Amino acid sequence: DIQMTQSPSTLSASVGDRVTITCRASQSISSWLAWYQQKPGKAPKFLIYKASSLESGVPSRFSGSGSGTEFTLTISSLQPDDFATYYCQQYKSYSITFGQGTRLEIK
Amino acid sequence: QVQLQQWGAGMLKPSETLSLTCAVYGGSFSGDYWSWIRQPPGKGLEWIGEINRGGSTYYNPSLKSRVTMSVDTSKKQFSLKLSSLTAADTAVYFCARGYGSGSFYNYWGQGTLVTVSS
Repeated sequence: DIQMTQSPSTLSASVGDRVTITCRASQSISSWLAWYQQKPGKAPKFLIYKASSLESGVPSRFSGSGSGTEFTLTISSLQPDDFATYYCQQYKSYSITFGQGTRLEIK
Repeated sequence: QVQLQQWGAGMLKPSETLSLTCAVYGGSFSGDYWSWIRQPPGKGLEWIGEINRGGSTYYNPSLKSRVTMSVDTSKKQFSLKLSSLTAADTAVYFCARGYGSGSFYNYWGQGTLVTVSS
């Protein structure tokens, strides 16, 4: 299996901050990476596919970059609704795997 | 707009079999790929497997011996069975639609908490 490792595990930030979450793959996955946002008690919400393509309706303050084994999710100016847990997911090969999550909390 | 609605028993005993069903409303069913993903309390997401309209499946190797997925195209539903349950199978189980085979998930069910306890 391809292992996905996110950092940091927890990130404290304030409204208006620019934040970056990193996701590393144990082997190259090209650009076959997605990002999700999850709030407590809810299903994950799909944000980004193919490392940098924004899903329709997702605010433009979200962006993704990277290829190979290192990827980032950036939120350019944090809004109150953005405090949640974020997961990366590789779909280069079966079995599909997720990162362990990054909890974004209010400072 | 695609919506997924799932249901199934929420309290099971060790050694029993989990059975969940997910119904798809809106969108196409025939050309899509359908998955189950679970999340133990307070932990991350684990992919269980995928099935397509034709019944072809891919399972997580760590669960393969205990997982069976099926699809009923006439009802636009797909199902998950997980046998020989232990407490480690306690989790919220989500159904989801894959954009393609082995892809990302753009639509999710609401989740079902399954608790395995004697």
